[in-house]
Amino acid sequence: DAKTTQPNSMESNEEEPVHLPCNHSTISGTDYIHWYRQLPSQGPEYVIHGLTSNVNNRMASLAIAEDRKSSTLILHRATLRDAAVYYCILRDVVIQGAQKLVFGQGTRLTINP
Amino acid sequence: EAQVTQNPRYLITVTGKKLTVTCSQNMNHEYMSWYRQDPGLGLRQIYYSMNVEVTDKGDVPEGYKVSRKEKRNFPLILESPSPNQTSLYFCASSLLGTNQPQHFGDGTRLSIL
Repeated sequence: DAKTTQPNSMESNEEEPVHLPCNHSTISGTDYIHWYRQLPSQGPEYVIHGLTSNVNNRMASLAIAEDRKSSTLILHRATLRDAAVYYCILRDVVIQGAQKLVFGQGTRLTINP
Repeated sequence: EAQVTQNPRYLITVTGKKLTVTCSQNMNHEYMSWYRQDPGLGLRQIYYSMNVEVTDKGDVPEGYKVSRKEKRNFPLILESPSPNQTSLYFCASSLLGTNQPQHFGDGTRLSIL
């Protein structure tokens, strides 16, 4: 699995946008970029995924660089409930049955009231 | 409500006393998996199953067994627990397909004395 690099921690204020970066300079052409988050005392939760184009859903937006070597998860208006560890994960769709999620250390996001 | 249910949520037991952690999902998912989460090591896969009667080892299978007799259930068995299996355990499920979001349970915290 290709490696991702994320900052250990970030801090933001409630109701402000948050941009969580992820570097994946060795990404292959068949790697999708997935984001999960883990709220305190809960299991990981799927957030969003994409390949090349920017993606939006009800939880967040994913902005992918043109060369695909980095991506940014955007929380448009953070709430206290968004305080969590955010994981950026690459998943290769070519490898049959490769459904294992490889979690790094993630970014611990703190939201200030 | 679609969910992955793990039981028990917390367990303190002693070395050598066999235990089973149950996992059940109500989403008709083919894929199920167990992870353990340890400080500094992140989440690591123990075992996974692609369908009924099909199971395979993950990255850290030593000391664990699993079975998949029914599609909805995927119990994790510790035949002779040891203190190094003290950890936070998560069960996950998804449809087959690398881009399918995985759904996680809320975790089981095991303490082996």
